[in-house]
Amino acid sequence: KAGVTQTPRYLIKTRGQQVTLSCSPISGHRSVSWYQQTPGQGLQFLFEYFSETQRNKGNFPGRFSGRQFSNSRSEMNVSTLELGDSALYLCASSLGRGYSGGSYEQYFGPGTRLTVT
Amino acid sequence: AQRVTQPEKLLSVFKGAPVELKCNYSYSGSPELFWYVQYSRQRLQLLLRHISRESIKGFTADLNKGETSFHLKKPFAQEEDSAMYYCALSAETSGSRLTFGEGTQLTVNP
Repeated sequence: KAGVTQTPRYLIKTRGQQVTLSCSPISGHRSVSWYQQTPGQGLQFLFEYFSETQRNKGNFPGRFSGRQFSNSRSEMNVSTLELGDSALYLCASSLGRGYSGGSYEQYFGPGTRLTVT
Repeated sequence: AQRVTQPEKLLSVFKGAPVELKCNYSYSGSPELFWYVQYSRQRLQLLLRHISRESIKGFTADLNKGETSFHLKKPFAQEEDSAMYYCALSAETSGSRLTFGEGTQLTVNP
């Protein structure tokens, strides 16, 4: 089956602009999580959506937001971009959390490389 | 709150030597622990998880709740094992959220 896809793969924006990134999960997966990856901070959790509802949120300012559509596709938006927002943004999809409480395997996309100048 | 620590940013070994990548965590509940790997120019992918107790590509990891550790081991390293390795934790109350360690770049020299 097709893997997680993210668009666009590369993006260059200017400070103060906003940006929208898209993630298409594996078919049948209802959970989509977003992570920011930087050399200094590593992989930081942004938020998770499950069946169109935000289930978890990391410690990021309100400029970072997201949503999930009925087909499980997800978007994240960053408004008023800052230089520090330059990063690789990863999306991961999974079936969610299992009945026994254990989590299903998460599958990661290739990421969107955002550069803010 | 949960935290994952990988004390070594870089680890270099020779082919055929044993390798151990360290991972320590702090979490008051019952965590799920994972090792993820990212090969050059490839996606982040799951290597193994503690609940499956499998050996993947010769790697094993045992969850030690007393020492709050989940070290990754392989008795004989191969050049193709060179990659970035991340230890990650999932808490039972946090949905699919993963807390990652800083990562260890493993280089296996010929």
